[in-house]
Amino acid sequence: NAGVTQTPKFRILKIGQSMTLQCAQDMNHNYMYWYRQDPGMGLKLIYYSVGAGITDKGEVPNGYNVSRSTTEYFPLRLELAAPSQTSVYFCASRTGNTGELFFGEGSRLTVL
Amino acid sequence: QQQVKQSPQSLIVQKGGISIINCAYENTAFDYFPWYQQFPGKGPALLIAIRPDVSEKKEGRFTISFNKSAKQFSLHIMDSQPGDSATYFCAASRGSSNTGKLIFGQGTTLQVKP
Repeated sequence: NAGVTQTPKFRILKIGQSMTLQCAQDMNHNYMYWYRQDPGMGLKLIYYSVGAGITDKGEVPNGYNVSRSTTEYFPLRLELAAPSQTSVYFCASRTGNTGELFFGEGSRLTVL
Repeated sequence: QQQVKQSPQSLIVQKGGISIINCAYENTAFDYFPWYQQFPGKGPALLIAIRPDVSEKKEGRFTISFNKSAKQFSLHIMDSQPGDSATYFCAASRGSSNTGKLIFGQGTTLQVKP
């Protein structure tokens, strides 16, 4: 049981490049989330999904896009990367029965 | 707008001491208050959680105290150990059975000295 798996773990992008952060969970959780973590700022919700085909914006969605074609996968797309998107990104999932979020190990992104 | 404010930002405690981290929230509709623990290079993991129908919840050395009228809750770590050194986040959400969107505090880095 792998839980929540994120790839890549580290990535350096140039300004203006695009990339996709991958997230997969094998727990059959309906709910999935993308957070970014910046020093001293806690975790900010970027996008979330309550099930396949359903996504919605969180607190800081600008510059990002998501899709949820299946229950297992919830990729996060960065278009036209900017230095402000330098951060550690966490994907998380949960069932609908409890409030507990299960987090991946994170993807550290640097935009230069 | 920061809906959940956490303090202190960092904390140093001697082994065996009590670590206390505080959080305050603004939205009275919040009804689920978890604490997450994060070790370096790892994702956060649920430590303990409380709902507003109780004023205290204890799990081993970890206790949440909840004050609904003051809109505050705190984490107490008794007999703190070096293995407790980590970053701790409080959080809040409205209706964990719904979208379960958690609003996190800014985090507290705890160092427990041997």
